[in-house]
Amino acid sequence: QITLKESGPKELKPTQTLTLTCTFSGFSLSTSGVGMGWIRQPPGKALEYLALIYWDDDKRYSPALKSRLTITKDPSKNQVVLAMTNMDPVDTATYYCVHSGPYSSSFEYWGQGTLVTVSS
Amino acid sequence: SYELIQPPSVSVSPGQTASITCSGNKLRDKDASWYQQKPGQSPVLVMYQDDKRPSGIPERFSGAHSGNTAILTISGAQAMDDADYYCQAWDSNSEMFGGGTKLTVL
Repeated sequence: QITLKESGPKELKPTQTLTLTCTFSGFSLSTSGVGMGWIRQPPGKALEYLALIYWDDDKRYSPALKSRLTITKDPSKNQVVLAMTNMDPVDTATYYCVHSGPYSSSFEYWGQGTLVTVSS
Repeated sequence: SYELIQPPSVSVSPGQTASITCSGNKLRDKDASWYQQKPGQSPVLVMYQDDKRPSGIPERFSGAHSGNTAILTISGAQAMDDADYYCQAWDSNSEMFGGGTKLTVL
């Protein structure tokens, strides 16, 4: 059974850096073709892709946010970490951790999401 | 920039068929996925590779792809299908989501 759980700060001030951790179980991020990533959703708005990291450390970022994002993995800890710099109130959103199966272009497993609020 | 266009809303009567479209340039060359999201919940994958249903998704959900348009069809819609639906596809090195469609079953 695959499970994903996000953790990190609930509130941030503008210009701060957000660091989110996804702790997972039920699969190995060392398995060929497997990827994990982050998707966010501002309140009442659509889903927005942020970043993906694959078993071979290949990384894919949203072109619009690439300069602010860093995604890393630690398979030994079953964790994936997303850092997002220079946070702004418009970055207030629920951030989801997602799993992409071997060589899949879809996300079958999602975490419960964590709401991050950016406010001064 | 690449965009996936969905109608903001679709309404259907219980038992009838609802179709939700997703359009985008060059979508004909890509696999589309669909997600269902109910209020306060995480999205659920209901269709992948255009027309494949994950385990546990009812047979009333089906998918198709015609040219630059992907289509999610719900045959015999039920009250439980009332939700937001998002399409998703790859563009270059980035995933893209459509703006979402609110399906109302009433």
